[in-house]
Amino acid sequence: DVVMTQSPLSLPVTLGQPASISCRSSQSLVYSDGNTYLNWFQQRPGQSPRRLIYKVSNRDSGVPDRFSGSGSGTDFTLKISRVEAEDVGVYYCMQGTRSVTFGGGTKVEIK
Amino acid sequence: QVTLKESGPTLVKPTQTLTLTCTFSGFSFSTSGVGVGWIRQPPGKALEWLALIYWDDDKWYSPSLKSRLTITKDTSKNQVVLTMTNMDPVDTATYYCARTYYRNQFQYWGQGTLVTVSS
Repeated sequence: DVVMTQSPLSLPVTLGQPASISCRSSQSLVYSDGNTYLNWFQQRPGQSPRRLIYKVSNRDSGVPDRFSGSGSGTDFTLKISRVEAEDVGVYYCMQGTRSVTFGGGTKVEIK
Repeated sequence: QVTLKESGPTLVKPTQTLTLTCTFSGFSFSTSGVGVGWIRQPPGKALEWLALIYWDDDKWYSPSLKSRLTITKDTSKNQVVLTMTNMDPVDTATYYCARTYYRNQFQYWGQGTLVTVSS
């Protein structure tokens, strides 16, 4: 099984400042078709998860461009260029290359 | 517009079997690549993937729960049913269904349904 490890567990951020979340997989996420199926989700308090990023770096429709994804192989990062109040919530990475596995989540809160 | 909605019991007793239904609109299993998955989230905890079913009836299961899960689809009704046997209080969670397209997983989610396991 692929294990997804996120860090940090909690991320206090000042409004307007950048934030970065790390996600590491226990195995390479490069699939046989050449794609890397690594997604990022945002879950605001009391809401269903919302996908932000798919295949490492592709933003879903309607996602603000302050969110960006990067990485390759086993190391991936979600960055928020300038945190806004509406970004508070828990962020999850998820791999879909070898079955499906979610990371443990990173809670983003405002300082 | 893609929508998904979960339905089922809010309370089940330990050892009982849970049956949840995901009813969706805006897409169809008649389309190649379409799939629907189930994900759960215990209160205050992380997301956990459970199962996936694709348009061609290919089925994927979480290895840790495979022996307890069955996923099926009804193409004519636009529904996916998940059954989980031998329920335990640790299975108390909000259960979500979400749409997948090939390996482009979980772009759309339902609102979730809270299932409590208690005697």
